[in-house]
Amino acid sequence: QQQVKQSPQSLIVQKGGIPIINCAYENTAFDYFPWYQQFPGKGPALLIAIRPDVSEKKEGRFTISFNKSAKQFSLHIMDSQPGDSATYFCAASPPRLFSGSARQLTFGSGTQLTVLP
Amino acid sequence: AAGVIQSPRHLIKEKRETATLKCYPIPRHDTVYWYQQGPGQDPQFLISFYEKMQSDKGSIPDRFSAQQFSDYHSELNMSSLELGDSALYFCASSRLGGGTTDTQYFGPGTRLTVL
Repeated sequence: QQQVKQSPQSLIVQKGGIPIINCAYENTAFDYFPWYQQFPGKGPALLIAIRPDVSEKKEGRFTISFNKSAKQFSLHIMDSQPGDSATYFCAASPPRLFSGSARQLTFGSGTQLTVLP
Repeated sequence: AAGVIQSPRHLIKEKRETATLKCYPIPRHDTVYWYQQGPGQDPQFLISFYEKMQSDKGSIPDRFSAQQFSDYHSELNMSSLELGDSALYFCASSRLGGGTTDTQYFGPGTRLTVL
């Protein structure tokens, strides 16, 4: 059972466009929602993360929108560039069970983004 | 800035052999996570360690074991390898001590191919 559903699977936009990637989750205990960017042959790198007490967070050209009631969150990339072409993963995790316990990330299935020059 | 180091970067094994993957976390990070990413798949959480103790366990097969050592590096031991174990194995680290951050920093991965 996919606890975090991500769409679309692939996305092609022109340079300067605003790709939007959507994720929906089922576990209402999730309280941490990061987005990762992954280039071929590389490890995922954290882009931006949000907690459910805010509805939007912006860092540079990346914005997360969060809708707690709908259990959905999305990534917007402003003024996209060819260098943004990568696979993007949303993820979610529940609170730590106790102080010192580690967060287990559940990833979405990924979106292959291509930004055309 | 120092990053997570994984070795080896590539590993080729035969079925039923064993493999050991190593992970060196970012200095002063106390938590290590292991993920498995199959071709075209999302990373799947395997296991994590905090201060050398197992913290959480995901979909790790019984054929796999892992530990975190006194210097905080971690090793993932995989026995009786199967073709389906071919994947990218990522290690991530974070610093939980002092409640600083939840950010997990991923290493470059080890590509395991089982023939």
